[in-house]
Amino acid sequence: DAGVIQSPRHEVTEMGQEVTLRCKPISGHNSLFWYRQTMMRGLELLIYFNNNVPIDDSGMPEDRFSAKMPNASFSTLKIQPSEPRDSAVYFCASTVTGRVETQYFGPGTRLLVL
Amino acid sequence: AQSVTQLGSHVSVSEGALVLLRCNYSSSVPPYLFWYVQYPNQGLQLLLKYTSAATLVKGINGFEAEFKKSETSFHLTKPSAHMSDAAEYFCASGTYKYIFGTGTRLKVLA
Repeated sequence: DAGVIQSPRHEVTEMGQEVTLRCKPISGHNSLFWYRQTMMRGLELLIYFNNNVPIDDSGMPEDRFSAKMPNASFSTLKIQPSEPRDSAVYFCASTVTGRVETQYFGPGTRLLVL
Repeated sequence: AQSVTQLGSHVSVSEGALVLLRCNYSSSVPPYLFWYVQYPNQGLQLLLKYTSAATLVKGINGFEAEFKKSETSFHLTKPSAHMSDAAEYFCASGTYKYIFGTGTRLKVLA
């Protein structure tokens, strides 16, 4: 079975540009999480969705960040405009809610904003 | 509020030596606890999880962890380190929304 799929795996962009990260969760999973990992701040939860609805976006840094989940098999995290401090590895994870369950992480997108 | 503390951001052990990675949690209710491993340039992978069924939890790759309520700890151990164990290890607490520790980078010396 395919795991969580993220694209692109690497993204290099210039400050001010729009960046869109994509995630396809594991089929049948109904919760999806976006995390950001940096050396300085470690692993931070940005937002999580349950049944395609954003439940908690308190970790989203600022209005430049937005996330959507139009259906159960696709989510995007958008940064507009991007800034150098957004450089990080962004992970998507999915799981099944309603019981204690493992979060399955994608391979991540390494973002570099110049 | 829940919190997870990992003592030691870097741990070095010799190949064949005991691995001990420390994790303490703070929770007002019995927690669910997890250990994840992250190899370079990869996502996180579950090693093991505690869900109150048994205090000693065995995971993949020979790792195990013991839940000690009196010490609010969930330390990760492996009797004999292998070079392939070199990675970063994260402790986490939660149900479907995790609180992660800051991670411990394990180095295995030949």
